[in-house]
Amino acid sequence: EAGVAQSPRYKIIEKRQSVAFWCNPISGHATLYWYQQILGQGPKLLIQFQNNGVVDDSQLPKDRFSAERLKGVDSTLKIQPAKLEDSAVYLCASTLRDRGNVGEQFFGPGTRLTVL
Amino acid sequence: GDSVTQMEGPVTLSEEAFLTINCTYTATGYPSLFWYVQYPGEGLQLLLKATKADDKGSNKGFEATYRKETTSFHLEKGSVQVSDSAVYFCALSDRGSQGNLIFGKGTKLSVKP
Repeated sequence: EAGVAQSPRYKIIEKRQSVAFWCNPISGHATLYWYQQILGQGPKLLIQFQNNGVVDDSQLPKDRFSAERLKGVDSTLKIQPAKLEDSAVYLCASTLRDRGNVGEQFFGPGTRLTVL
Repeated sequence: GDSVTQMEGPVTLSEEAFLTINCTYTATGYPSLFWYVQYPGEGLQLLLKATKADDKGSNKGFEATYRKETTSFHLEKGSVQVSDSAVYFCALSDRGSQGNLIFGKGTKLSVKP
């Protein structure tokens, strides 16, 4: 079974530029998460999708971050414009989770973003 | 809000030594508890989990017991190997939060031959 795929694996940009990350979850997984992992810290949830609807985006900096999950499969996370403090690893995870049940989350390899 | 506190790292052990990584949590509800592991160059993987008080999760020789009275979920292994070198994350998921994971800061373990 293929795992969660993410691209690119690495990205270096200048501050104020824009960047986009792509995630393809495990086939059949209805729930998709984006996490931000700053160096030396644990991952922090940015947004959760259930199929193509947003369940929780309370920690997403909406003035610069946006995310979508078209057709309930792939997802894209965008940052525009980027700031120095956005340098982090962006992790995508998915789970085969029914409503009310907590399923195991499967993580992709992440995209390491460096903002100069 | 809910939170997870892990012991500070890095931790360096010799092969076959006993490992304990402490984890305590704060939660308003009845969370599920997890240990995730991140090997060098790889993504996060679930190591073990426990969904209710007194449950013991185990995998690959690692164990952790859900202690509600001490709000703890300490990770233990009786004899570590070089291949166990990785970063270990304790996490909780509160059912009231749609299953979202809240992670500790991680503990880096290095095992020397």
